[in-house]
Amino acid sequence: ETGVTQTPRHLVMGMTNKKSLKCEQHLGHNAMYWYKQSAKKPLELMFVYSLEERVENNSVPSRFSPECPNSSHLFLHLHTLQPEDSALYLCASSQDTGTYGYTFGSGTRLTVV
Amino acid sequence: GENVEQHPSTLSVQEGDSAVIKCTYSDSASNYFPWYKQELGKRPQLIIDIRSNVGEKKDQRIAVTLNKTAKHFSLHITETQPEDSAVYFCAASKTTGGFKTIFGAGTRLFVKA
Repeated sequence: ETGVTQTPRHLVMGMTNKKSLKCEQHLGHNAMYWYKQSAKKPLELMFVYSLEERVENNSVPSRFSPECPNSSHLFLHLHTLQPEDSALYLCASSQDTGTYGYTFGSGTRLTVV
Repeated sequence: GENVEQHPSTLSVQEGDSAVIKCTYSDSASNYFPWYKQELGKRPQLIIDIRSNVGEKKDQRIAVTLNKTAKHFSLHITETQPEDSAVYFCAASKTTGGFKTIFGAGTRLFVKA
C-alpha cells in the first residue's frame, strides 16, 4: 500500500442509484484530490481539498458531490449518474497544494449501467 | 485555456535503447513539473519531478530536462527494460494565481525484449 486507500475497487451502479466512493490517506498530507481517468483522455481534475476546505471545483456536474470530513478522509457521493460517467476515479494526496507530487490511490473502476 | 501537450502518444523501442517523451506547456507561471508512470491496471506513481529553478535532474536511468524559455520539458529513459513498459504522464503545476495542475494526455511506451 502506498498510503492512499480507495474503496471499493470496483462498482457497478444503475443510473438511479446512490453510492459513495471513499478515500483514506495516512501520510499526514494536507491536500486531497479526486481525478477522473477515462480511456484515451488526460487525467481530469474534479475536486481539490486543502486542510478540509474545497479550493477547486472544476466545473463538475452536481451529480458528483465531494465531502472531506477531515484531512485524512475524502468521499465522492454519486447519484443519478449517466453511462458516460463510467471511468476510473482516482483519489490522490500531496503534502500541500503547492509544488509537491501526488500519491495516488488504486482507484475505483465505476461502471454505470 | 492552459494546456499541456505530450508527444508521442505511443512509443515503441527495443530493449536497451533510449526513450524520450516531450511535453509543452502554455502557462508561463507553471513552476513544478512531475512525471508519473502508470503500469497496466495500476495507480499512477511519481517517478521524477523538476522545479522551475533547475534545468536538469537525473535519477539512475531516468532524467528530466526543462527549458523554461521554450516551455518544454522532457523525460529521458536510458537502457530501457521491459518493465519500463507503461503509460507515462507529464504535468505542469503552478501555485501563483490559484492552484492549477494540468496533465498531459499520456505516452504509452512499449519496450520490446
